[in-house]
Amino acid sequence: SQKIEQNSEALNIQEGKTATLTCNYTNYSPAYLQWYRQDPGRGPVFLLLIRENEKEKRKERLKVTFDTTLKQSLFHITASQPADSATYLCALEDSGYSTLTFGKGTMLLVSP
Amino acid sequence: NAGVMQNPRHLVRRRGQEARLRCSPVKGHSHVYWYRQLPEEGLKFMVYLQKENIIDESGMPKERFSAEFPKEGPSILRIQQVVRGDSAAYFCASSPGQGAGGNTIYFGEGSWLTVV
Repeated sequence: SQKIEQNSEALNIQEGKTATLTCNYTNYSPAYLQWYRQDPGRGPVFLLLIRENEKEKRKERLKVTFDTTLKQSLFHITASQPADSATYLCALEDSGYSTLTFGKGTMLLVSP
Repeated sequence: NAGVMQNPRHLVRRRGQEARLRCSPVKGHSHVYWYRQLPEEGLKFMVYLQKENIIDESGMPKERFSAEFPKEGPSILRIQQVVRGDSAAYFCASSPGQGAGGNTIYFGEGSWLTVV
C-alpha cells in the first residue's frame, strides 16, 4: 500500500543551524511534492511545491530536493530561527489527480 | 491561510447529535477539499467538490457523512449521529483550479469537533 514516512521524533536544533527534514514514500509515483508548515491549533500553510522533473527548489531560506529514484524529498531551512519551530508536513499529489496525501509531519524545535 | 473561512472553529456535540461544518473558500476559487486530522495522525483526504458537484468522495466514510458545495453559499460538511471517534480537526482547503499542480492550495484554520 502507499506509504509516506516522516521522522516521528521531533528535531531539535540550535538557532542559526540548518534543519533538514526527510520525507520518504513507497508505492507511489507522485507528479508533485509539497511541503507545508502547521502550527498548533492552526491550518497547514503552503511553503513549496516541486515537480517530479525538478531536482531542487529554493525559496528564501528554504530548499527542497526531490529524488524520484530514492523516493525521497529533503526539506532544508538554513539559518534557522526560533520562529521556524512548527510541524512540517510533506504531501504528494498523483499526476492527473487532485488530492493530496500527507505524511504525519515532523516537529521542528529551534532553540535560541 | 488567506481567505478560507471555516466555522465554527470549535464545536462540541453529544453522541448522536449532528455536526455541520461550514467553509467559504478563497474568493474566486471553485474547488473545495475537506480533510480530517485525527489526534496523532496525518491529514486524511475526505472529499473534493466543485460548485454543485462532488468530484471525489473516496475518503468519506460511507455512512453518516455528507458534503455539498451549492451554487451559492459555503461548502458544508455534515456529520450525522456523531460518535466519539469523529472527534478531530476538519480542514477545508480551496484552489483556483484542479489539483495542486501549478495551483497553490489554501487551507482554513480548521473546525475542531469534540464529541462527548
